[in-house]
Parts: sequence; C-alpha cells; structure tokens
Amino acid sequence: DGGITQSPKYLFRKEGQNVTLSCEQNLNHDAMYWYRQDPGQGLRLIYYSQIVNDFQKGDIAEGYSVSREKKESFPLTVTSAQKNPTAFYLCASSIAGSWQYEQYFGPGTRLTVT
Amino acid sequence: SQKIEQNSEALNIQEGKTATLTCNYTNYSPAYLQWYRQDPGRGPVFLLLIRENEKEKRKERLKVTFDTTLKQSLFHITASQPADSATYLCALADSGTYKYIFGTGTRLKVLA
Repeated sequence: DGGITQSPKYLFRKEGQNVTLSCEQNLNHDAMYWYRQDPGQGLRLIYYSQIVNDFQKGDIAEGYSVSREKKESFPLTVTSAQKNPTAFYLCASSIAGSWQYEQYFGPGTRLTVT
Repeated sequence: SQKIEQNSEALNIQEGKTATLTCNYTNYSPAYLQWYRQDPGRGPVFLLLIRENEKEKRKERLKVTFDTTLKQSLFHITASQPADSATYLCALADSGTYKYIFGTGTRLKVLA
C-alpha cells in the first residue's frame, strides 16, 4: 500500500525541549509539505520541499526546521523558539512541478507542549 | 490582502437533500481549485480538482463549479447521507509558487 505515515500520533513535550516529527512517504512523490492546523483556522504552511536537499519556508516557518536528505522522508523539528507549538501537524506530498495534482496527507501528529 | 473564505458556521441539512458549500477568494488568480474532506483528528482527503477553464466538474454525487469572474467555487453533495458529515476544505494553488492555500473549512452535518 502506498501512502504517507506520520509518527507518533500523539506527542507530549515539556516547554523548552526540541521535538522532531516524522513523515515518510512511499508514493515516489518529489514534493512534500508540512502544515499546522489549529482549531478554527485553516491549514497553515510551515515548510515545503520540491526536491531532495532543497526546501523553502512557508508562511509560518519561525521556530521550525526541516531537512530533506531522502526523497521519502521530510522530518520537522519544532524548536524551543516556537512560541505556541501545541497544534495538530500534518505532512503531505504531491507530484512536484505541477500544482494540478492533489496532495496526499498523512494521519497527523498531535503535539502538546506543557 | 489575499484571502480564501469558507463559511465558518456549520451547515446542518436533512438526509437526502443537496448540500452546497461556498469558497470565495480575493487577490488570487488560481489556475486550479481543489476540494478536500477532513474527518475529526485525521488528515484531509482529496475529492475534486477543477481548472480555471472548466465551469463544472462532477464525480458521483459530488459537483464543483468554478466562477473566476465571481472568484467563487461551489461544492455540492446531492442525495446527502449521514456518512457525508465532515469538514470540507477548499484549496487553491498559488500560481507564483507551488504552495497550496487552504480555506478554514466548513463543517457539514447530515441529519438522519
């Protein structure tokens, strides 16, 4: 089965700690994305990558970092600099080079920082 | 400023009726517009894509229209069923980059 996996589904961290969210896809897609979803708000783009070893900031990149060392993987690190890290995080992928194709989303990771 | 707006209030309809959801946008000129379904606690699932030169697109009980003059897309579910209850998101592709811009979604509840 092809798809996107995110782990873990729930994550709890203490304030001041960095945390890394995993995202893996076996769809052979070039493009990958990270979004954040808060209650009553739409999906907000954090980072995106069109190709291995390259990525761009989205609309709310401050306090986050990513890497794209492999086509299949696009981990997101939530750093201690992120002021309001508690949220639902969604990873997605699509065929790069054309936005006429849909995005495939993972099941999400709910991060709670206290 | 650029905006995508969906009705933030929940839409309740009776089973068997047609549900119509609205997506309005300003200061964009999208070539494509997409609709997704999202169930609570899960990732969105793609439903339909419509191109700017298409007025209407259908898939089973779903229909999407795209009016670039009004800057509006309508999403219809005919013969609605309780299983259609979910939040529906519209999204458009920013023609300047490969970013997708999502609306806040409209929650639909189909009453049995």
